[in-house]
Amino acid sequence: SQQGEEDPQALSIQEGENATMNCSYKTSINNLQWYRQNSGRGLVHLILIRSNEREKHSGRLRVTLDTSKKSSSLLITASRAADTASYFCATASPEYGNKLVFGAGTILRVKS
Amino acid sequence: EAGVTQFPSHSVIEKGQTVTLRCDPISGHDNLYWYRRVMGKEIKFLLHFVKESKQDESGMPNNRFLAERTGGTYSTLKVQPAELEDSGVYFCASSQGGGKAFFGQGTRLTVV
Repeated sequence: SQQGEEDPQALSIQEGENATMNCSYKTSINNLQWYRQNSGRGLVHLILIRSNEREKHSGRLRVTLDTSKKSSSLLITASRAADTASYFCATASPEYGNKLVFGAGTILRVKS
Repeated sequence: EAGVTQFPSHSVIEKGQTVTLRCDPISGHDNLYWYRRVMGKEIKFLLHFVKESKQDESGMPNNRFLAERTGGTYSTLKVQPAELEDSGVYFCASSQGGGKAFFGQGTRLTVV
């Protein structure tokens, strides 16, 4: 089964609203990373949060990490049409040799 | 600084043919990873090089896939003979240390 699993699988919101995506994982981790993939393009790194951190911000992005619940959330505030993409969480775990293990992703559609 | 580059961006081949994908990592990055995304599903790990050595090839689906990284620079992933289920987007990523991974744009492989 997947190490990282995102929910919801798909999310559709209006421009200006906030979007929240969640990620759960199963093992201990060194860090958790969020990536974005625009249609037909490569993966873009958004933010990395280490296992000893609880919250990180980057522009309109806010990531939280709860290692007791083995979960993370990505909040995009004041969404824009350009935020439409697939979002993936990926965990780096010593149990998997610290390679990144991805979930299935959340498809976000921001309507203008 | 150049990012991770992959070639070709698209490839359409017939079942039974051979295809070789290439990845040029960011200069100086010892870690190189191959991933695959099939039919919009999760991004699956294939293998991990540290310099020229295969650190982890647990994700390689079968012996029709061969990856090399001669000299610890660029890497190739050969599929021989290709099957229909090999269709998907193949991503390469590189990193230095345990930090964030930089991904290429991917190669979209279609086997017909």
